[in-house]
Amino acid sequence: EIVLTQSPATLSLSPGERATLSCRASQSVSRYLAWYQQKPGQAPRLLIYDTSNRATGIPARFSGSGSGTDFTLTISSLEREDFAVYYCQHRSNWPLTFGGGTKVEIK
Amino acid sequence: EVQLVESGGGFIQPGGSLRLSCAASGFTVSSNYMSWVRQAPGKGLESVSVIYSSGDAYYADSVKGRFTISRDNSENTLFLQMNSLRAEDTAVYYCARASAAAAGYFFDYWGQGALVTVSS
Repeated sequence: EIVLTQSPATLSLSPGERATLSCRASQSVSRYLAWYQQKPGQAPRLLIYDTSNRATGIPARFSGSGSGTDFTLTISSLEREDFAVYYCQHRSNWPLTFGGGTKVEIK
Repeated sequence: EVQLVESGGGFIQPGGSLRLSCAASGFTVSSNYMSWVRQAPGKGLESVSVIYSSGDAYYADSVKGRFTISRDNSENTLFLQMNSLRAEDTAVYYCARASAAAAGYFFDYWGQGALVTVSS
C-alpha cells in the first residue's frame, strides 16, 4: 500500500497570502496524484488531477506540481472560501489511498 | 447534470447488515469506474471499494469478505452490501464517480454521503 504523507497538518494563513501544501508518497506514483478540498459537512471536491490539471470550474489560483514521490498544491492568494481541509490521493494502484489532510485555517 | 444520491444509511448493531444505494443521473454507471469512499467521524478519507466498467471489483483489506460492491444497470444505481458490521465501520459513506475523460480516473463527482453508525 502506498502511504501518502501530507504536511503540514495545519497551515495558519491570512487571506491574500500564498499557501503551499506538500504530499509525499512512500513510493513513486508517477504523475497519478490528485488534490481535493473538503469543507465541514460537505463531500470532497476535486481540484487538481494528474498532478497539475485543474478540474472543471477550479480557479487559476490553484496549481499543482511534482512527480514521482513529491507533490505540491499551491494556492497563490487565499480567498476566504479556500479555508478548508485539503487531501491528496493517488491512483497508481489499488488500494487507492489518501493523505491525512492539511487544514488551512485563518490566522 | 451529473448527480449521485446515496441512501440506506442508519444505525445498526455490530454484526448486522446494511445496503447502501447510490442513484446516478446524468451519466451511465456501468460505463464508468465507481467507488465507495468512507470517512470516520473527524478522520480522513478511505477508499473502501471500486468497480470498473468491466465489472472487476476491488476492496480495502479492512472490508474484504464482508462488503460487496455491485451495480444495477437498469436502475443506473451503485450498491454497497455491508455484512458483519463492526464499530470501526462507523463513517459517512460517499459514492464517487471517476471519469477518465474529465478527471484522469480521479473522483470528479461525489454524492452527499450516507452516515452509517455501528453501535450496541
